[in-house]
Amino acid sequence: DTEVTQTPKHLVMGMTNKKSLKCEQHMGHRAMYWYKQKAKKPPELMFVYSYEKLSINESVPSRFSPECPNSSLLNLHLHALQPEDSALYLCASSQLGGRNRHGYTFGSGTRLTVV
Amino acid sequence: RKEVEQDPGPFNVPEGATVAFNCTYSNSASQSFFWYRQDCRKEPKLLMSVYSSGNEDGRFTAQLNRASQYISLLIRDSKLSDSATYLCVVVRGGYQKVTFGTGTKLQVIP
Repeated sequence: DTEVTQTPKHLVMGMTNKKSLKCEQHMGHRAMYWYKQKAKKPPELMFVYSYEKLSINESVPSRFSPECPNSSLLNLHLHALQPEDSALYLCASSQLGGRNRHGYTFGSGTRLTVV
Repeated sequence: RKEVEQDPGPFNVPEGATVAFNCTYSNSASQSFFWYRQDCRKEPKLLMSVYSSGNEDGRFTAQLNRASQYISLLIRDSKLSDSATYLCVVVRGGYQKVTFGTGTKLQVIP
């Protein structure tokens, strides 16, 4: 079982809907990440939170809105998405900085389809 | 030029073979390095961290060459269960800017 839990596993939404993806970890990690992965492509970094503050936004469109309510939770709020936003959305967590010798632990992802 | 590049493969190898993958990165300020494997429709899973001194974990050996800006992964005695896509990961920017390589697909054939 993965130590990073993502819900829902699958989501179908219309272009006018608002939905949220959720991610939870209890490993005491202080960095959390959102990635987007299209088929046959590598994951692409979207956002990084460290100590619950947004530290990196990779020029992601504003229709994606991240939120980190506490050190264990990470949300991704979705609004007015386009069909090309359909992808696997992966959450990950890690220790911070140079102490991170153990890489990034990924959740199993949310497979999003925008219709 | 992409920041992190890999040969996409696929590498089709027989069971028991030794196979090597390389990954090149363009930013000399890169700080840490990892190899991940990803099975079809699954999340990436950490295979091993990569250190300048090289490191080994069973049948897997990883090397980092900072001067030439590449990392490598060697798999000995390939098993059918090694079939997956192997992704290198390069980190910089205060250990937060995480970039995946394009991935190399390995198929081990009976």
